[in-house]
Amino acid sequence: NAGVTQTPKFRVLKTGQSMTLLCAQDMNHEYMYWYRQDPGMGLRLIHYSVGEGTTAKGEVPDGYNVSRLKKQNFLLGLESAAPSQTSVYFCASSLDRGLYEQYFGPGTRLTVT
Amino acid sequence: GNSVTQMEGPVTLSEEAFLTINCTYTATGYPSLFWYVQYPGEGLQLLLKATKADDKGSNKGFEATYRKETTSFHLEKGSVQVSDSAVYFCALSDGGSNYKLTFGKGTLLTVNP
Repeated sequence: NAGVTQTPKFRVLKTGQSMTLLCAQDMNHEYMYWYRQDPGMGLRLIHYSVGEGTTAKGEVPDGYNVSRLKKQNFLLGLESAAPSQTSVYFCASSLDRGLYEQYFGPGTRLTVT
Repeated sequence: GNSVTQMEGPVTLSEEAFLTINCTYTATGYPSLFWYVQYPGEGLQLLLKATKADDKGSNKGFEATYRKETTSFHLEKGSVQVSDSAVYFCALSDGGSNYKLTFGKGTLLTVNP
């Protein structure tokens, strides 16, 4: 039981390049989330999904797109990376909303130069 | 909207010292409250939670009591260890149509031997 895994662990991009971050969970959770963590800012929600085939915007969605084609996977895309997107990205999943614990992946450290 | 305010760090303690990390919140309705911990290089893990007023969450020697009258959820531990060195995040969820956790900015704790 791997829990929540993220690929890749580290990445360096040049401004304007694109990439996709992959999140996978093996707990059969309905809800999945993408956060970014920046120094002094805590975690901020980028996008989330309440089930296969659904996505919704969080607090800071601009510059990102997501897809949830399979229940176990949640992809985060950057179409044209900017230095402001340098951050640590965390994926999380939960059985249900609100009261249920969110399980986090180990994070992806992205640097955009 | 919802918000969480926690004491700014960093906090540096000697082993076996008493720990308090303050957390206050603003929310509509009756939120659930959480403490998450992030060890170096890892994702967040749930440390404890409380779902209604006067509930006490506890885990690994840490405790926090949900105080509705003071809108607080302070984290305490009677005797910290070096292995408790981490970043601690207070968070809330209102459990309604809001699917997300609202996080505080995090408090870095360093425990010296």
